[in-house]
Amino acid sequence: GQSLEQPSEVTAVEGAIVQINCTYQTSGFYGLSWYQQHDGGAPTFLSYNGLDGLEETGRFSSFLSRSDSYGYLLLQELQMKDSASYFCAVYHGGATNKLIFGTGTLLAVQP
Amino acid sequence: EAGVAQSPRYKIIEKRQSVAFWCNPISGHATLYWYQQILGQGPKLLIQFQNNGVVDDSQLPKDRFSAERLKGVDSTLKIQPAKLEDSAVYLCASSLVLDLLRYEQYFGPGTRLTVT
Repeated sequence: GQSLEQPSEVTAVEGAIVQINCTYQTSGFYGLSWYQQHDGGAPTFLSYNGLDGLEETGRFSSFLSRSDSYGYLLLQELQMKDSASYFCAVYHGGATNKLIFGTGTLLAVQP
Repeated sequence: EAGVAQSPRYKIIEKRQSVAFWCNPISGHATLYWYQQILGQGPKLLIQFQNNGVVDDSQLPKDRFSAERLKGVDSTLKIQPAKLEDSAVYLCASSLVLDLLRYEQYFGPGTRLTVT
């Protein structure tokens, strides 16, 4: 079967750094994605790791270790607008070409 | 470039009624996905189209849900008859695979369905 695990909730203060972990068990793994979803909004793409290592995009970074079936999203210099749900998703490429989403982590940024 | 369009944004129906949702993906995106997102959960893939052919519908409750993508562009998802547990947000997404190191799905705003 397939499973992804991530914490259900995380709380942090403005200006801080927070790390959201994701572990997965799946077959046909191509890469790991992260999506952000504000309440009532659509998921929006944050990052994709097709290779092991760290990908950095502004305040957000994402890491993947295939050998550990593990990844994380790192958010720096937290802002109130970062309060949202964050989903890790396994990408199954090739003929399948689809994402399997985790259950999401609700991040609450406090002043 | 225009994003993924969906309509309606909200729909309230009674159980046993039918409902249809419409999606127009980003121009040129061959792959289209319909997801169901229940409150507090991640999006669950219902059906995936490649052009106008079905690639994966393994999690689509085929006794009540149907979907089509005529001409490989826009798509409709139908529920008939609806049940209370179908209350959810129905998201449409499209993608264009550029290479193995880049993959992104683009989501529409979703349709929030309430079944009473």
